[in-house]
Amino acid sequence: NAGVTQTPKFQVLKTGQSMTLQCAQDMNHNSMYWYRQDPGMGLRLIYYSASEGTTDKGEVPNGYNVSRLNKREFSLRLESAAPSQTSVYFCASSVGQGVWHEQFFGPGTRLTVL
Amino acid sequence: DQQVKQNSPSLSVQEGRISILNCDYTNSMFDYFLWYKKYPAEGPTFLISISSIKDKNEDGRFTVFLNKSAKHLSLHIVPSQPGDSAVYFCAGLNNAGNMLTFGGGTRLMVKP
Repeated sequence: NAGVTQTPKFQVLKTGQSMTLQCAQDMNHNSMYWYRQDPGMGLRLIYYSASEGTTDKGEVPNGYNVSRLNKREFSLRLESAAPSQTSVYFCASSVGQGVWHEQFFGPGTRLTVL
Repeated sequence: DQQVKQNSPSLSVQEGRISILNCDYTNSMFDYFLWYKKYPAEGPTFLISISSIKDKNEDGRFTVFLNKSAKHLSLHIVPSQPGDSAVYFCAGLNNAGNMLTFGGGTRLMVKP
């Protein structure tokens, strides 16, 4: 039982390049989330997927797209990376939404955009 | 404008003593508050939570207090242990239950 896994762990991009961050969970959770963490800012929600087949914008969605490929997998795509997207990205999942459903986080992807 | 603020970026306490981590919020629509703990190179892990209808929740060495009128919550760790050294984030959950808003975190260092 691996929980939430993310690939890659580290990535360096040049401005304008594109890439996809992968996330998978093996806990049969319905909801999945993507956050970014910047120094002193805490974690900010980029996009979330309440259930398979649905996605919604979070607090900071600009410059990102997501795909809920199936119940297990939720990917985050940067179409044209910018230095402002340098951050640590965390994927999370939960049984569902609502106050009783704690979120389980992956180990993160550290992305640097030059 | 940050809706959840942790004004102390760091805190250092002696092993065995009490650690008190504070969190202030501005959004009165938060229905639920959670504390997460994060070790370096790992994702955050859930620690303890409190509903907005309560003023205290306890789980072993960890107690969270909520003062709604002051829009303030605090996490007490008694007794503190070196393994508690980590970054602690508080977060508010909106009443739709679909969005967590995190504070900037407080780095706790527990000295042996």
